[in-house]
Amino acid sequence: GAVVSQHPSRVICKSGTSVKIECRSLDFQATTMFWYRQFPKQSLMLMATSNEGSKATYEQGVEKDKFLINHASLTLSTLTVTSAHPEDSSFYICSARNLAGPSYNEQFFGPGTRLTVL
Amino acid sequence: GQNIDQPTEMTATEGAIVQINCTYQTSGFNGLFWYQQHAGEAPTFLSYNVLDGLEEKGRFSSFLSRSKGYSYLLLKELQMKDSASYLCAVLDSNYQLIWGAGTKLIIKP
Repeated sequence: GAVVSQHPSRVICKSGTSVKIECRSLDFQATTMFWYRQFPKQSLMLMATSNEGSKATYEQGVEKDKFLINHASLTLSTLTVTSAHPEDSSFYICSARNLAGPSYNEQFFGPGTRLTVL
Repeated sequence: GQNIDQPTEMTATEGAIVQINCTYQTSGFNGLFWYQQHAGEAPTFLSYNVLDGLEEKGRFSSFLSRSKGYSYLLLKELQMKDSASYLCAVLDSNYQLIWGAGTKLIIKP
């Protein structure tokens, strides 16, 4: 149980294009989803927290107009990187938490999406 | 501010035991997690401690002392596949995970 999927796993795009990454909780309802970014040899950096049906809360320094997050249902959240640039190339990881479940403090991670912007 | 410290890198020998320490200073505490992350992959859950003491799970054990703001992850009978980064993370009073930078563990034959 508690499986989180991400799609796509890898994407290469040209500078200036937009990329959408999907995060799905497959066997539980994710009341809260988190989006992280990880640059090589660095730790996870929280970008934003989203609760189903409400606006995402962005961490300081993360541009909400550039990184659009939609958490429209209890099983799906999307992150859209708008007008991507080479500096946005990174490993994007989502995680989900089920506050109503027995492991309510645990975050279940998706496999990550490797974004490369040329 | 909130701070989590763990060693950057450790080296150990296959079959041996290694202890990875983590100290933390956070606004509130709702538990401490250890995750394993292989290069290019997402973190995978190893352990969760919210009460003081030792939690044992197979070859891996995790210890917590809340009064000292200290935890360690103990790995026994090391295998080559244990080569990975080990991330310490604390759930603060807002139920946000505060992450350490990770400890890269290198296992030598």
